[in-house]
Amino acid sequence: RKEVEQDPGPFNVPEGATVAFNCTYSNSASQSFFWYRQDCRKEPKLLMSVYSSGNEDGRFTAQLNRASQYISLLIRDSKLSDSATYLCVVAPRRYALNFGKGTSLLVTP
Amino acid sequence: NAGVTQTPKFQVLKTGQSMTLQCAQDMNHNSMYWYRQDPGMGLRLIYYSASEGTTDKGEVPNGYNVSRLNKREFSLRLESAAPSQTSVYFCAGSGTGPLLYGYTFGSGTRLTVV
Repeated sequence: RKEVEQDPGPFNVPEGATVAFNCTYSNSASQSFFWYRQDCRKEPKLLMSVYSSGNEDGRFTAQLNRASQYISLLIRDSKLSDSATYLCVVAPRRYALNFGKGTSLLVTP
Repeated sequence: NAGVTQTPKFQVLKTGQSMTLQCAQDMNHNSMYWYRQDPGMGLRLIYYSASEGTTDKGEVPNGYNVSRLNKREFSLRLESAAPSQTSVYFCAGSGTGPLLYGYTFGSGTRLTVV
């Protein structure tokens, strides 16, 4: 089983739609969790951390379920500029992060 | 601008040639990392340096060496390039450890080995 698994998509949604991405991880000892965004031919950039209590940043909501080893990202009111690949990231040990392969999102007019 | 700077941005090598990818950060990061990204494979850790003076292997270290020259600089060397090393290479840094704040990535080096 891969350490971090994501549905690769692509997810094609119209502007204004709500879209959710899911991610599962295999190491129950993982300590930290993040979502990164990567635009085409660019470096990954931190979108948000994921906390056990769930957290929200504007139109973005992240949830963590440690019992099920499951992370989610919800994007509300999608914008064209949200089109990117979203990477689920898990820290199974202190000094290195494991990245999922990413979920591709295309928001259309 | 402050951040993580990688050089070169693009490189074409012939099989068997050597080269060093440079990475420098001015964010006072303690930890630095080298990843490669291939289509369908995601980001894979090559080597990392938890602090100045230390380096450790990641998931895919074969064919690479690293040097943590000082706190700012972390270089990646390919001694004898192979076509399988064609990839996009990202350097990253982290301040107090990635658990709290994740990484800041450089803009990447696109390497082609022919």
